[in-house]
Amino acid sequence: DSGVTQTPKHLITATGQRVTLRCSPRSGDLSVYWYQQSLDQGLQFLIQYYNGEERAKGNILERFSAQQFPDLHSELNLSSLELGDSALYFCASSTTLGSFGDTQYFGPGTRLTVL
Amino acid sequence: KNQVEQSPQSLIILEGKNCTLQCNYTVSPFSNLRWYKQDTGRGPVSLTIMTFSENTKSNGRYTATLDADTKQSSLHITASQLSDSASYICVVIPNPNSGYALNFGKGTSLLVTP
Repeated sequence: DSGVTQTPKHLITATGQRVTLRCSPRSGDLSVYWYQQSLDQGLQFLIQYYNGEERAKGNILERFSAQQFPDLHSELNLSSLELGDSALYFCASSTTLGSFGDTQYFGPGTRLTVL
Repeated sequence: KNQVEQSPQSLIILEGKNCTLQCNYTVSPFSNLRWYKQDTGRGPVSLTIMTFSENTKSNGRYTATLDADTKQSSLHITASQLSDSASYICVVIPNPNSGYALNFGKGTSLLVTP
């Protein structure tokens, strides 16, 4: 158990809908990262927050947004969902800002299925 | 074109045998290179992190090597166990001044059989 929690574990929804994925980092970790993993693309970095502020952006679509709250939990919002958004979404946390140099601890993931 | 290529795509070995997984990259300059182990349906777990100046890093039965000149890294697993069955992912982290475009390999799927 990494100490990172994600909810829900599974999510099934229809195209055009909007969903929110939630992540609670390990106690004391200030950085939260979101990743998408699909069968054909592998793992892709979406976005990083550090202590409430957006720190780095990867291949995140404009239909997707995220935020980190004062209690350090984070939410990833996916809107106007398309079939291709079906994937595993992972959250990871680390202690420092990191520039990705420190160890990231991954949560168990949320499996999103868009029908 | 993916800047991180892993080989083989999949591998089957007998329990107790050793194996080596390869990662070739074109990312330059880079900050560090990581190997992750990912069990099916679970989040990746960090095995090793190496900076560009390090040649080798061990974590139990896992040993990663890095040749920055040839832009190659390998992950050697010694005395494999059934629990080593997983996907192994190579990740190259670019120099922060070059942005945050993390480069993930697509992974090598390893199956250890009795």
